[in-house]
Amino acid sequence: GAVVSQHPSWVICKSGTSVKIECRSLDFQATTMFWYRQFPKQSLMLMATSNEGSKATYEQGVEKDKFLINHASLTLSTLTVTSAHPEDSSFYICSARIPIGSGETQYFGPGTRLLVL
Amino acid sequence: DAKTTQPTSMDCAEGRAANLPCNHSTISGNEYVYWYRQIHSQGPQYIIHGLKNNETNEMASLIITEDRKSSTLILPHATLRDTAVYYCIVTSGTYKYIFGTGTRLKVLA
Repeated sequence: GAVVSQHPSWVICKSGTSVKIECRSLDFQATTMFWYRQFPKQSLMLMATSNEGSKATYEQGVEKDKFLINHASLTLSTLTVTSAHPEDSSFYICSARIPIGSGETQYFGPGTRLLVL
Repeated sequence: DAKTTQPTSMDCAEGRAANLPCNHSTISGNEYVYWYRQIHSQGPQYIIHGLKNNETNEMASLIITEDRKSSTLILPHATLRDTAVYYCIVTSGTYKYIFGTGTRLKVLA
């Protein structure tokens, strides 16, 4: 099946630094990718929709200047957490949209665990 | 808010069928029902999806009621590795997923 990878799988950084997370579709092209965030014992929350060659669409309450998304190619989307703070510590998961059967679906990456000290 | 409601948790004996219900009473005509599961500390895994007909694949079966207001995911022979949080999602053409709280399935030896 379709494979989506994320890099890094985990990262620890100091407060105030920026962190970039990569999401790649390994065996297919994805014009649309999605970024989610998951806090401990909670469900996934959609942060933004990333479209190749255009600006990302952010969900209500998500700061676009803090969470920079770039989707420069059909196989790569990046999420940069700028000036990270401890409250940004979370599990970040991307997904890629792909046609399947009578519709479309999303395949998810393995996630990136971010810890901001 | 999620358009679905699911029981918070369920237990199932290993080797038995696990039947996970999902209520989506406000579903509209062009919306699909998707099922995913998330094993601890991993990204969600696609299981199955359907519009109005029942569906089956190598992982599970999806039964959608005739009025489409509810559905059931069936894992025919649950194993310990099926222990996970199962999410039922309803979505239309934008394919944006709004995750609810899901059902925590525990398969017991």
